[in-house]
Order: sequence, then structure tokens, then C-alpha cells
Amino acid sequence: DSGVTQTPKHLITATGQRVTLRCSPRSGDLSVYWYQQSLDQGLQFLIQYYNGEERAKGNILERFSAQQFPDLHSELNLSSLELGDSALYFCASSPGRVIEGSYGYTFGSGTRLTVV
Amino acid sequence: GDSVTQMEGPVTLSEEAFLTINCTYTATGYPSLFWYVQYPGEGLQLLLKATKADDKGSNKGFEATYRKETTSFHLEKGSVQVSDSAVYFCALTLLNDYKLSFGAGTTVTVRA
Repeated sequence: DSGVTQTPKHLITATGQRVTLRCSPRSGDLSVYWYQQSLDQGLQFLIQYYNGEERAKGNILERFSAQQFPDLHSELNLSSLELGDSALYFCASSPGRVIEGSYGYTFGSGTRLTVV
Repeated sequence: GDSVTQMEGPVTLSEEAFLTINCTYTATGYPSLFWYVQYPGEGLQLLLKATKADDKGSNKGFEATYRKETTSFHLEKGSVQVSDSAVYFCALTLLNDYKLSFGAGTTVTVRA
């Protein structure tokens, strides 16, 4: 157990629907990162939150949004889902606002989203 | 931009064989370098790391040396086991950066 908890583990939904993925960071970590892992795109950085505030954005679609709550858990909202959104979505956490060079991330086990 | 290039897989080996996965990087500064491993059905786990030139990271029999002159961080293991079957990702981050940049991943299968 890495200490980063993601729910649900699996999600199957239809095109056009909206889903919410949840992540609880490791105890003491203030930053949460979301990544999308697909077969053709590899691991793509989506967004980072630090202590409740958006810190950085990567290749995140406008149909996707995220937030981090006062208890530091984060949610990734995916709307108007398309078949191409099927992927593994990983959450990771780290202690600070930037990555301490010797530390890296702690990853959750991911949510597998299948859009049918 | 900053990026990581890994050797393409898949790689299939017999038990006790020697494993090398090549990783080279492009970075504007002096990155910290990582190898992550993803076992089937699981998330990524940090395998080893190096934060400056000539550092050697090691863990579970795996080693990688930060080579600034060749901008490389190749992963090696002298004698692989079936349990080493996984996807291996090379990654980098720059000082005071907020994200890790990952390579495409290399799938390794070890046969008994």
C-alpha cells in the first residue's frame, strides 16, 4: 500500500456521460497530480494541485476538470466522455509545491475507465 | 522541452539473463532522474533515483548511473527473475519543477 488511495478501481460508462474519480494523497503530502495513461499516449500529465490551489496544467482537455478539497483529497471530473477517454487515470502525491529531487512521487493504483 | 527517450519494447528474457534498458534525456538544466516500475494491475512504484552526475541509484538488484556526458540513465540488472516482469519507466524532473516527465515505458517479460 503506497498510501495514495484512488477510487473507484474500475469504471465503465457510456459515451456522453460524466464521471468523478477520487484520490486521497499520502498522509502529509500537500500536492496531488493527475496523470492519464493510455496505450498510444503513454503517461500524460494532466494537472497539479497544491494545498487546495491549482498549481500547474498539462495536457488536460477542457471537458476535464479537477479540484482539491480542504482535507486535501482531490477529484477529477471527466464530462462528455468519448471512446478515446478510455484509459488508466493515476493520482500521485508529493510533500511540497515542487518535487524534491530525491523524492519523486507516490502513485496510487489507478482508476481504469472504460467508455463504451 | 525536457524529455526522456527509452528503448522500445517489448523485451523478453530468460530467467537469470542480463537486462539493460536504455534511457537518454534532454533537459535545459540538471535534472534528477528516476526509474519507476509498474507491475501488472498496479500503479507506478519508485525503483531507484539519482540526483546528480555520477550518482548510482540501486534497489532490488537494479542499478542505474547518471551519466551527464552521455545524458543517459540506463537501467541494468545482472540476473532477472520472473517476478521482474513489468513495465519500466524512466523519468526526470528539474530543480524546483512541479512534474515528472516520463518516457514511453518498456515492457519486460521474463520467462522461466
